[in-house]
Amino acid sequence: DAGVIQSPRHEVTEMGQEVTLRCKPISGHDYLFWYRQTMMRGLELLIYFNNNVPIDDSGMPEDRFSAKMPNASFSTLKIQPSEPRDSAVYFCASSLLQGLEEKLFFGSGTQLSVL
Amino acid sequence: KQEVTQIPAALSVPEGENLVLNCSFTDSAIYNLQWFRQDPGKGLTSLLLIQSSQREQTSGRLNASLDKSSGRSTLYIAASQPGDSATYLCAVANYGGSQGNLIFGKGTKLSVKP
Repeated sequence: DAGVIQSPRHEVTEMGQEVTLRCKPISGHDYLFWYRQTMMRGLELLIYFNNNVPIDDSGMPEDRFSAKMPNASFSTLKIQPSEPRDSAVYFCASSLLQGLEEKLFFGSGTQLSVL
Repeated sequence: KQEVTQIPAALSVPEGENLVLNCSFTDSAIYNLQWFRQDPGKGLTSLLLIQSSQREQTSGRLNASLDKSSGRSTLYIAASQPGDSATYLCAVANYGGSQGNLIFGKGTKLSVKP
């Protein structure tokens, strides 16, 4: 398997523009997570899905953020309108519960810069 | 509220040295604890996962220990190499949840000098 695939790797946009980040989880994994990483706050969970259903979105900072998972192989994280404080690295991760083991597998992330 | 702390934030050692990275957490009611490695510009790679009922896990030159009662975990790296240079993060899963409850520390940036 190619692992968790995220696109784009880098995104530079202007304040107020819509940004869409994409993620393809590892085939067969039933959990998908969106994280945000900044120097100040470290890694923060934004939202996670189980079998394509959003389970916990309490980490989504504002209504400007939305996430969807239309099928088992694709998810998007959208920011509309974007603001400079949204600049961060956004990671997607997936996992599969096997007994007590539930390791997370991360994508390479999307570096977002909002000017 | 669970808080995870990693000290020091950065560490520089000469090649060949054995070293220990520390992780502490405030709530001992954890489901498991996981150590990750992050290379610059990359995502996180899971290194070791310790269930709450376990005391340690080993993989090659890496050994992770868990002391739930004291809220501590250590990652021991034997015979360090320049290729070990990376940021190491620990994360705990609180009891009663899945990986969605992972709480991460801010990491220790390790530099191994040749």
